[in-house]
Amino acid sequence: DIVMTQSPDSLAVSLGERATINCKSSQSILDSSDNQNYLAWYQQKPGQPPKLLIHWASTRESGVPERFSGSGSGTDFTLTISSLQAEDVAVYYCQHYYNKPPAFGQGTKVEI
Amino acid sequence: QVQLVQSGAEVKKPGASVKVSCKASGYTFINHDINWVRQAAGQGLEWMGWMNANSGNTGYAQKFQGRVTMTRDTSIGTAYMELSSLRFEDTAIYYCTRGSGQMGRDWFDPWAQGTLVTVSS
Repeated sequence: DIVMTQSPDSLAVSLGERATINCKSSQSILDSSDNQNYLAWYQQKPGQPPKLLIHWASTRESGVPERFSGSGSGTDFTLTISSLQAEDVAVYYCQHYYNKPPAFGQGTKVEI
Repeated sequence: QVQLVQSGAEVKKPGASVKVSCKASGYTFINHDINWVRQAAGQGLEWMGWMNANSGNTGYAQKFQGRVTMTRDTSIGTAYMELSSLRFEDTAIYYCTRGSGQMGRDWFDPWAQGTLVTVSS
């Protein structure tokens, strides 16, 4: 099974500053047949279900602010919030969907 | 709009079973897998398994093999997750979520509101 590991577990960022969350998979989740990275990012605010932000490692969902971006390939990925807003306080999870079972990282808590 | 709505909170005794429903609307139910994910208080997300809403085929995480059953009623666009032999450590919020990828390689969108299952004596 592929294991997903996020870093850091938590980070505090000032309003307007950049937040960077890393996600590493235990094996490559890049499929050479379609050149796609099978990675998604979610945001979970307290008391709410997770919300999909990004899939294919860098494809932002409709309605997700442009300050959220995903990058990386193979085994190393990054979610960047370019200018942190108060409403971005949440736990962020990466998830691979390269094969079964899919798996989530342990989460990264972003605070102001 | 695409929406998943789950049944309400449950309190069960150890050893009992719980069955949670997940009603889909806003899309063709049989065209997408349904996955179940749980989250214990203050903890991360744990994938439990998936079900092909068209065929009813299922796949379960090894941890839950033998204790979980996922079914559906296509006539009412509803999926079900039943967990048996409940233990205290099964206390968690259980989410259903739609598979939104291809060929069973899915990201999850949207998610239902969740169902709190409490196991207490």
